[in-house]
Amino acid sequence: ETGVTQTPRHLVMGMTNKKSLKCEQHLGHNAMYWYKQSAKKPLELMFVYNFKEQTENNSVPSRFSPECPNSSHLFLHLHTLQPEDSALYLCASSQDLASASVNEKLFFGSGTQLSVL
Amino acid sequence: GESVGLHLPTLSVQEGDNSIINCAYSNSASDYFIWYKQESGKGPQFIIDIRSNMDKRQGQRVTVLLNKTVKHLSLQIAATQPGDSAVYFCAESSQGAQKLVFGQGTRLTINP
Repeated sequence: ETGVTQTPRHLVMGMTNKKSLKCEQHLGHNAMYWYKQSAKKPLELMFVYNFKEQTENNSVPSRFSPECPNSSHLFLHLHTLQPEDSALYLCASSQDLASASVNEKLFFGSGTQLSVL
Repeated sequence: GESVGLHLPTLSVQEGDNSIINCAYSNSASDYFIWYKQESGKGPQFIIDIRSNMDKRQGQRVTVLLNKTVKHLSLQIAATQPGDSAVYFCAESSQGAQKLVFGQGTRLTINP
């Protein structure tokens, strides 16, 4: 158990559905992240939040909408997704923004396996 | 652009042998490196890290070697066990980047 909990673990949705992924961290961290993990591709950073403020949007399509109501919770709202969006979506947290200057490590949740039909 | 890549996508070793997983990076400004292990159905888990002012760091059964001259990083696992079966990722960061760049991953399988 890493202290980062993601729900649901699995999600199947149609292209016209609206769903949300939830992440909660119990580590007292200030930064939270959404990553996309597709087969045979490196982990793709999607969004970064630091103290509830979005600090990075890595050119993610608007059909993905993040929300960070507080430093412990992070959501990813999904609507009108495409089949190519099927992937494992990983949430992570770190004490501060991942930075070489402080040897910042990421703590990952187990992910939500998303299938878009 | 910066990239972090792995030499091999899969590696099979005999149980009890040592495993060596390699990683190349292209950003000469990278100065912090991490190895993560991802088991089936789980998120990546931190294994070991190293800063660029070091060339070797040891943990429990794992050693990370850094060769800055050729921009190469390796993870050595001693006496590989079935529980070591996973995908291993390297990641790097540089001063001011405030994010980790991940490699593609190497799948390690253990033969009994």
